[in-house]
Amino acid sequence: DSGVTQTPKHLITATGQRVTLRCSPRSGDLSVYWYQQSLDQGLQFLIHYYNGEERAKGNILERFSAQQFPDLHSELNLSSLELGDSALYFCASSVSTSSYNEQFFGPGTRLTVL
Amino acid sequence: GENVEQHPSTLSVQEGDSAVIKCTYSDSASNYFPWYKQELGKGPQLIIDIRSNVGEKKDQRIAVTLNKTAKHFSLHITETQPEDSAVYFCAASNNAGNMLTFGGGTRLMVKP
Repeated sequence: DSGVTQTPKHLITATGQRVTLRCSPRSGDLSVYWYQQSLDQGLQFLIHYYNGEERAKGNILERFSAQQFPDLHSELNLSSLELGDSALYFCASSVSTSSYNEQFFGPGTRLTVL
Repeated sequence: GENVEQHPSTLSVQEGDSAVIKCTYSDSASNYFPWYKQELGKGPQLIIDIRSNVGEKKDQRIAVTLNKTAKHFSLHITETQPEDSAVYFCAASNNAGNMLTFGGGTRLMVKP
């Protein structure tokens, strides 16, 4: 158990819908990262938040957005869902912003868009 | 941006044999190279990492080597056991973005 929690574990929805994925980082970690894992694209970085502020963006679609709240939990919002958005979404957390800090991954949310 | 290539995509070994997985990266600014193990239905878990100022690091049966000049790094697992069967990912990051850029993964199967 990494100490990172993600809810829900599974999510099934229809095209065009909007969903929210939630992540609680390990106690004491200020950084939260979101990654998408799909069969064709592999594990891809989406976005990084540190202590409530956005720090880096990767290949995140404009239909996707995220935020980190004062209690440090984070939410990833996916809207106008398409079939291709079906994937595993992982949240990871680390102590700070240093690249040397280990990123601890949560168990993931499996999103299925029908 | 950074690009990480990983080989092989699948690797089958007999229990007790060694396994080697290789990765190359493109960005000379990358300074941290972790390896993650992902078991079915779980998130990736860090098994070993290496910084750019170190050439080799060992932790029991696992070792990682880094060649900065050639921009490649490798994972070595000795005396493999069935519980080593999983998907292994290499990754690279730098202080500019902190994000991890992952290789495509290697499915390791250890046959008893």
